[in-house]
Amino acid sequence: NAGVTQTPKFRVLKTGQSMTLLCAQDMNHEYMYWYRQDPGMGLRLIHYSVGEGTTAKGEVPDGYNVSRLKKQNFLLGLESAAPSQTSVYFCASSSYEQYFGPGTRLTVT
Amino acid sequence: RKEVEQDPGPFNVPEGATVAFNCTYSNSASQSFFWYRQDCRKEPKLLMSVYSSGNEDGRFTAQLNRASQYISLLIRDSKLSDSATYLCVVNTEISGYSTLTFGKGTMLLVSP
Repeated sequence: NAGVTQTPKFRVLKTGQSMTLLCAQDMNHEYMYWYRQDPGMGLRLIHYSVGEGTTAKGEVPDGYNVSRLKKQNFLLGLESAAPSQTSVYFCASSSYEQYFGPGTRLTVT
Repeated sequence: RKEVEQDPGPFNVPEGATVAFNCTYSNSASQSFFWYRQDCRKEPKLLMSVYSSGNEDGRFTAQLNRASQYISLLIRDSKLSDSATYLCVVNTEISGYSTLTFGKGTMLLVSP
């Protein structure tokens, strides 16, 4: 099993550009999550989903949108990237314990 | 008060040493507790769940004290490969759904 996969692994954006990060899981988990991790800040929850077609805001949702059209996929969108969104983004899925993808390193210049 | 607090370290120990990490949490209604391990520039990975009676997995022992809202992780006979950041994780209810709150982590450096 691949577990949780994320694409892309790395990306550089200019301020104002948009992009979508894709997360896929093959464990049939209902719950999926998007986090960002910044130095000294730990993991912070951006948005999460408790099932196909549902999404909810986490701790730091501003500037991000998400969609869960299929159970196995959870997309994170940045409509107009800002330098403050430079971070490492982790996706996770769970039934009880959370399993993480390898992360996407995003730099916004 | 932060929801999950950990000493950031780093803890520098020699191989073979025993080291303990502590964590406190603020939400007394939390029901599930975990320790995750994160290597540099990698994703967090589940190390072990923490049960009320305490639990052991090889060289690793986790303890939970609900009255004090305190979680600990003990690593015996430290190996070089134990060098990593250890994240204390507590479940949190948001709008009726359970999500996890992560501490910022404690860094462990094991030296030869």
